[in-house]
Amino acid sequence: GAGVSQSPSNKVTEKGKDVELRCDPISGHTALYWYRQSLGQGLEFLIYFQGNSAPDKSGLPSDRFSAERTGGSVSTLTIQRTQQEDSAVYFCASSLRLGRGGDQPQHFGDGTRLSIL
Amino acid sequence: AQKITQTQPGMFVQEKEAVTLDCTYDTSDPSYGLFWYKQPSSGEMIFLIYQGSYDQQNATEGRYSLNFQKARKSANLVISASQLGDSAMYFCAMRAFQTGANNLFFGTGTRLTVIP
Repeated sequence: GAGVSQSPSNKVTEKGKDVELRCDPISGHTALYWYRQSLGQGLEFLIYFQGNSAPDKSGLPSDRFSAERTGGSVSTLTIQRTQQEDSAVYFCASSLRLGRGGDQPQHFGDGTRLSIL
Repeated sequence: AQKITQTQPGMFVQEKEAVTLDCTYDTSDPSYGLFWYKQPSSGEMIFLIYQGSYDQQNATEGRYSLNFQKARKSANLVISASQLGDSAMYFCAMRAFQTGANNLFFGTGTRLTVIP
């Protein structure tokens, strides 16, 4: 498809388990972002990848969260030893390369709804 | 630091009428971009409109327009001729360019309900 693809769409797991969320960005988009949305809130930035540059991890809430992007395309967000407060919808977005003189809209996937029991 | 404020948790509008959704922002960066996204009940985030801080004219995209008042630091979304399908959450977001921030900062959103 032409849009950002995320899987799974829903994930239910027990507290303490590890989870992996996958994102396949729009072809040709070099910038990739992960956000999360807790119930009733706006989106909160987690991590940003741009090409082969070192990722911007400034939004990751703890060292239980990590992400990688292989081959400049598909990305995986991993949450280790999940806690109940990790329950949220996790969105991936992609865009063309950001610039300092203007901007490119970020196009979002449909999100992964993560529920920690 | 950047901050986005949406003071209207919920708004109602009659079908075919226009509605304004408020957004104010705070940043010390002289160069920034402002975005509006729509999130229907199905959950996806849909990009609506973009305004750059140095753009001379207000952005328009079909029935959407952005009332950009730079001195007041406001970027209100105007939806004309509301349709039932416009019922959704609407998020205002900002990215500051010179600070090097890569991400968008989002407001808490406004839930718009269009009444038939």
